[in-house]
Amino acid sequence: KAGVTQTPRYLIKTRGQQVTLSCSPISGHRSVSWYQQTPGQGLQFLFEYFSETQRNKGNFPGRFSGRQFSNSRSEMNVSTLELGDSALYLCASSFGGGDHYEQYFGPGTRLTVT
Amino acid sequence: AQSVAQPEDQVNVAEGNPLTVKCTYSVSGNPYLFWYVQYPNRGLQFLLKYITGDNLVKGSYGFEAEFNKSQTSFHLKKPSALVSDSALYFCAVRDYNAGNMLTFGGGTRLMVKP
Repeated sequence: KAGVTQTPRYLIKTRGQQVTLSCSPISGHRSVSWYQQTPGQGLQFLFEYFSETQRNKGNFPGRFSGRQFSNSRSEMNVSTLELGDSALYLCASSFGGGDHYEQYFGPGTRLTVT
Repeated sequence: AQSVAQPEDQVNVAEGNPLTVKCTYSVSGNPYLFWYVQYPNRGLQFLLKYITGDNLVKGSYGFEAEFNKSQTSFHLKKPSALVSDSALYFCAVRDYNAGNMLTFGGGTRLMVKP
């Protein structure tokens, strides 16, 4: 079974631009979560989508948004990029909406904002 | 609010010796606990989880973890370390009513020396 895939793997953007990251979950998984990883703040939860609905949201500004499609694929958008948005963005998928299901992570998208 | 602490930034062990990576947690309800490992330029790989039942959980690559409710700890262990175990290890907690939102510890770098 194929794992979680994320595209693109690397991205360089300029301050003020916007960016869209894509995540394809493991086949059959309905939950997709997004995390930001930085050296200073570590791993922080952005949001979770389950069956096309946002179920949880972390403590990030409204510039960070996402959505999930009917095939469970998810996109994350960051508008008006800031230097501090430079990070590894990880997507994770899970079969269910909680309980005992573990999450499986993709390789991440490395975003650099200059 | 849920939180996780990994008190050691780095753990050094000799190959063949037992290893322990420490983790303590705080949640309002029953915890779901996870360990993940991250190799350079990779996403997180799932190692093991505690949901309920036996306090000693066995996972991938010979790792195990011991859940201790009274001490709110979930330490990762391995009887005999390998050089290839050198990586970044993350402990994570999920509250039973928080969907798939994981809260991660700061990570512990494990260095296994030949």
